[in-house]
Amino acid sequence: SQTIHQWPATLVQPVGSPLSLECTVEGTSNPNLYWYRQAAGRGLQLLFYSVGIGQISSEVPQNLSASRPQDRQFILSSKKLLLSDSGFYLCAWSLGGVSSDIQYFGAGTRLSVL
Amino acid sequence: GNSVTQMEGPVTLSEEAFLTINCTYTATGYPSLFWYVQYPGEGLQLLLKATKADDKGSNKGFEATYRKETTSFHLEKGSVQVSDSAVYFCALEGGKLIFGQGTELSVKP
Repeated sequence: SQTIHQWPATLVQPVGSPLSLECTVEGTSNPNLYWYRQAAGRGLQLLFYSVGIGQISSEVPQNLSASRPQDRQFILSSKKLLLSDSGFYLCAWSLGGVSSDIQYFGAGTRLSVL
Repeated sequence: GNSVTQMEGPVTLSEEAFLTINCTYTATGYPSLFWYVQYPGEGLQLLLKATKADDKGSNKGFEATYRKETTSFHLEKGSVQVSDSAVYFCALEGGKLIFGQGTELSVKP
C-alpha cells in the first residue's frame, strides 16, 4: 500500500534562517506531488506541484521554492524565512497521469517563524 | 475561474444532532467534487466524493449529493458524534484540486 511521510512534524525557526521540509512517498511510481500551506484559521493554499522529476510548477510567487530530486521525494525550501512563512505545511500525492483525482496527504509540518 | 465557497464556522453541535455544512461551487464543465476532513493536528483525509450530477457520495454516516442545478455539494450527517469534531473542506477538481476555506465542527457531549 502507499504511504506518505513528511518531516519534521514541528519546527521553530528564527527569521532569516533557511528551511528544508521533506516529503517522500512509498508504494507508487511517478506520483503527482503537491505542497500546500494552511495559515491559522484559513483554508489550503497550493504552493507547488510536480508531475515528474525536476518538473515544478509554482502557484504563488513567494519566498519559498520546491525541488523534486527523485521520483518520490519532494522538498520545500527557503533561503531566508519570513514571519509570514509560519503555518501548517502539507505534502500530498495523487496518481500520476490522471488529472488530480484523489489526493493523499501527509501528517503535516507545523512551522513557527519567530 | 473555478472556486468553492463553504459556510463559515465554527459550527458547534450537541452529540446526536443533525449536521449540514453548506458548499457551493463555480466551475466550467462538470468537475468531480470532494469532501476532505482534517482531525486536530493531522493532515487531510478524503471523506467522500462524487463525480457527476446527482451522484451521492457517502462514508462514515456522512453524505453529500452533487447538485448541478444549484451548484452545491452540501455535507450532511444524521447524528454527529464527539469524534466527528474536525475541520471539513469541500473541494472540486478543476485541473487541480481547489479547496474551500474549511468549516470547523465542534461536537459537545
